Amino acid sequence: GENVEQHPSTLSVQEGDSAVIKCTYSDSASNYFPWYKQELGKRPQLIIDIRSNVGEKKDQRIAVTLNKTAKHFSLHITETQPEDSAVYFCAASPRNNDMRFGAGTRLTVKP
Amino acid sequence: GAVVSQHPSRVICKSGTSVKIECRSLDFQATTMFWYRQFPKKSLMLMATSNEGSKATYEQGVEKDKFLINHASLTLSTLTVTSAHPEDSSFYICSARLAGSVWETQYFGPGTRLLVL
Repeated sequence: GENVEQHPSTLSVQEGDSAVIKCTYSDSASNYFPWYKQELGKRPQLIIDIRSNVGEKKDQRIAVTLNKTAKHFSLHITETQPEDSAVYFCAASPRNNDMRFGAGTRLTVKP
Repeated sequence: GAVVSQHPSRVICKSGTSVKIECRSLDFQATTMFWYRQFPKKSLMLMATSNEGSKATYEQGVEKDKFLINHASLTLSTLTVTSAHPEDSSFYICSARLAGSVWETQYFGPGTRLLVL
């Protein structure tokens, strides 16, 4: 089955700096890659996703890149703000009914 | 749009009792719902996939007789933790996928925190 690895496990940046979180996946059949943000005690919220037919997607300060050949994808957050502090999960979906999550990255943005 | 609710939000029960958790898609129909378990500071672990009108598909290592799943309608799936024990204490989160959607986007419920004494 699909195996998703996520790095780093913790990330601390200064407000205004950029943050990058990387994930790798094992199943070349995976074609959908969402990113979720989870604040403490709350539900994961979808922040951005990318499908395998594109290499990059951007939404304001958030962007995701996908390298299908290398089987890795990354989340980029620019101009970070304290409210970006949360745990971020990547996921990969190889087929219907099967999404695997990375271990999560705890992002802290220091004011 | 794409709102998923869960009830109850938290429950405390005695060891040996059963607990039912409901997951509802409020403004869309969900052919498929998913149940996850999350330990503190850990990732989401898929427990089972719930398909409307059919038996749930359980992940390896998840006891289907322990975690009963019913998906009786396109807007409701239930997870029953039977004969709960302290080791079942966890944060249980459901998610739902829009019926008929081509893509795999899942929308999560707010979670249920279960504490078994």
